[in-house]
Amino acid sequence: GENVEQHPSTLSVQEGDSAVIKCTYSDSASNYFPWYKQELGKRPQLIIDIRSNVGEKKDQRIAVTLNKTAKHFSLHITETQPEDSAVYFCAAKNGANNLFFGTGTRLTVIP
Amino acid sequence: EAGVTQFPSHSVIEKGQTVTLRCDPISGHDNLYWYRRVMGKEIKFLLHFVKESKQDESGMPNNRFLAERTGGTYSTLKVQPAELEDSGVYFCASSQVRGIQYFGAGTRLSVL
Repeated sequence: GENVEQHPSTLSVQEGDSAVIKCTYSDSASNYFPWYKQELGKRPQLIIDIRSNVGEKKDQRIAVTLNKTAKHFSLHITETQPEDSAVYFCAAKNGANNLFFGTGTRLTVIP
Repeated sequence: EAGVTQFPSHSVIEKGQTVTLRCDPISGHDNLYWYRRVMGKEIKFLLHFVKESKQDESGMPNNRFLAERTGGTYSTLKVQPAELEDSGVYFCASSQVRGIQYFGAGTRLSVL
């Protein structure tokens, strides 16, 4: 089955700096990679996603890159703000349409 | 449009008791998923319904867990009897066909 690894588990950055979270996956058949943000006490919410036929996708301060050959994908947040503080989960979707998640990264943006 | 709702938000039970979690998906979403997050670990897939049918239940940990989705609307996940290691946050998500999965806020289960 699919195995997703995520690093780092915790990340602290100064407000305005960039944050990068990295994930790897094992199943070469996985073709969809969403990122979810979970604020304290709230539901996980999709913030950006990328499909396997695309190498990079950007939405304002958030970008995701995908290297299919290496089975790596990363989340990049630029100009971080305190409201970016949350737990971020990467995931990979397999052929059965099921999501396999990483262990999460707790991002803290220090004002 | 109402989102995915889960009930209860928190349940505290003793080992050996039974607990039933409920999930109401977004109206019109045929796909319903259950996940569990044990503290500090990944959000782990449990099972997937398409309408009332179990499409994939490969993530269900053991036969103490029973999921149902009668009529293809809301779903329940029953744990009987509960064990200490069942503690965690149980998430439900729903989607249209191969669409984005929208999550509920989760049920935090504490087994004492």
